[in-house]
Amino acid sequence: AQSVTQLDSQVPVFEEAPVELRCNYSSSVSVYLFWYVQYPNQGLQLLLKYLSGSTLVKGINGFEAEFNKSQTSFHLRKPSVHISDTAEYFCAVSDPGNQFYFGTGTSLTVIP
Amino acid sequence: DAGVIQSPRHEVTEMGQEVTLRCKPISGHNSLFWYRQTMMRGLELLIYFNNNVPIDDSGMPEDRFSAKMPNASFSTLKIQPSEPRDSAVYFCASSPGQYTGELFFGEGSRLTVL
Repeated sequence: AQSVTQLDSQVPVFEEAPVELRCNYSSSVSVYLFWYVQYPNQGLQLLLKYLSGSTLVKGINGFEAEFNKSQTSFHLRKPSVHISDTAEYFCAVSDPGNQFYFGTGTSLTVIP
Repeated sequence: DAGVIQSPRHEVTEMGQEVTLRCKPISGHNSLFWYRQTMMRGLELLIYFNNNVPIDDSGMPEDRFSAKMPNASFSTLKIQPSEPRDSAVYFCASSPGQYTGELFFGEGSRLTVL
């Protein structure tokens, strides 16, 4: 079975500072990798995904993530955060059976 | 394009009552998922359908929970009888099919059982 670990449950960061949200996964098969964002009282929205190809993936709202197969990581980064980036962020993997596995989430708080 | 549509958005009921949550997946999507989200347990997969057939229901908490997908455009999650510990946000999500891409989530149904 696959599993996803988000190492930080809460990340406070000042506005306009860079941020990295960490995600590690374990899997014995090839997987797809995703980052989702959840704003208060809303469903999860896709930020970006890695299916194949370039290991650096760019998503919406200026976020990007890098797939590192040797370290089984898929960390999310943004060079300069905005107040509106305050939200819960979920890392997820899917396997060939279309099962999706989510991490426990990282709460990003951007401080003015 | 219409996204995943869930109803009701909010439900307040009393312990012991039956609750039915509804979901309309995105047209053409072959897979449908029901998740539950709470502060304590995070996001939990309850059940997963592929081509209207339940593939994995190991996450369904107990016999009080049941889910059906009578056709490709409709699914229900039923709780009978409901209990206060069932209070959560229930999300429905759909995907195009096996190993083809991401999940598309609905906006959720917030259930409060008094």
